[in-house]
Amino acid sequence: AQSVSQHNHHVILSEAASLELGCNYSYGGTVNLFWYVQYPGQHLQLLLKYFSGDPLVKGIKGFEAEFIKSKFSFNLRKPSVQWSDTAEYFCAVNVPGGFKTIFGAGTRLFVKA
Amino acid sequence: DGGITQSPKYLFRKEGQNVTLSCEQNLNHDAMYWYRQDPGQGLRLIYYSQIVNDFQKGDIAEGYSVSREKKESFPLTVTSAQKNPTAFYLCASSPYRGDQPQHFGDGTRLSIL
Repeated sequence: AQSVSQHNHHVILSEAASLELGCNYSYGGTVNLFWYVQYPGQHLQLLLKYFSGDPLVKGIKGFEAEFIKSKFSFNLRKPSVQWSDTAEYFCAVNVPGGFKTIFGAGTRLFVKA
Repeated sequence: DGGITQSPKYLFRKEGQNVTLSCEQNLNHDAMYWYRQDPGQGLRLIYYSQIVNDFQKGDIAEGYSVSREKKESFPLTVTSAQKNPTAFYLCASSPYRGDQPQHFGDGTRLSIL
């Protein structure tokens, strides 16, 4: 069965620090990968997605993620965080053509102004 | 604006009682999902429906039931057989069968009296 592991449950950074949130999945075949974000008081929303092609994908608000197939990883990065990036971030995976998207436990990011 | 409406926002259940959580979407999306969110566990899939009058069990369907009689509606019933129902419940939708969830509701927080 597929599973998703997010390494950090809570991360605290100062503004302008660089961010990297880890995500590993367990599935030997082709997968689609996603990062979702939930800002305080808002709906969960899709931040970026990887289906195929360039393993470095760019999302909204300066976020990017790199798919490393050999490491089963899809880490989320941002060079310089802002206070407004304070949110909970979820990594997710599904199998192409499948109907089940599996989510990780989430990482709460707090950015100090 | 199109979106997903979940109601109620807060719900209390007595022991042995069934309760129904409402999820309505006006996005004309084919697929709808119910997730349960517990602290430290991320989102776990309860049920999903790819088309009207069809639905499948997710990873934690025991003690829950759903129906999909209309495209825009996907209610979730938490039955008395669900022994640990206290959680935050999220409804989601996606335009097409096999898509990842793209829109989420505000959620319903269910507690046991």
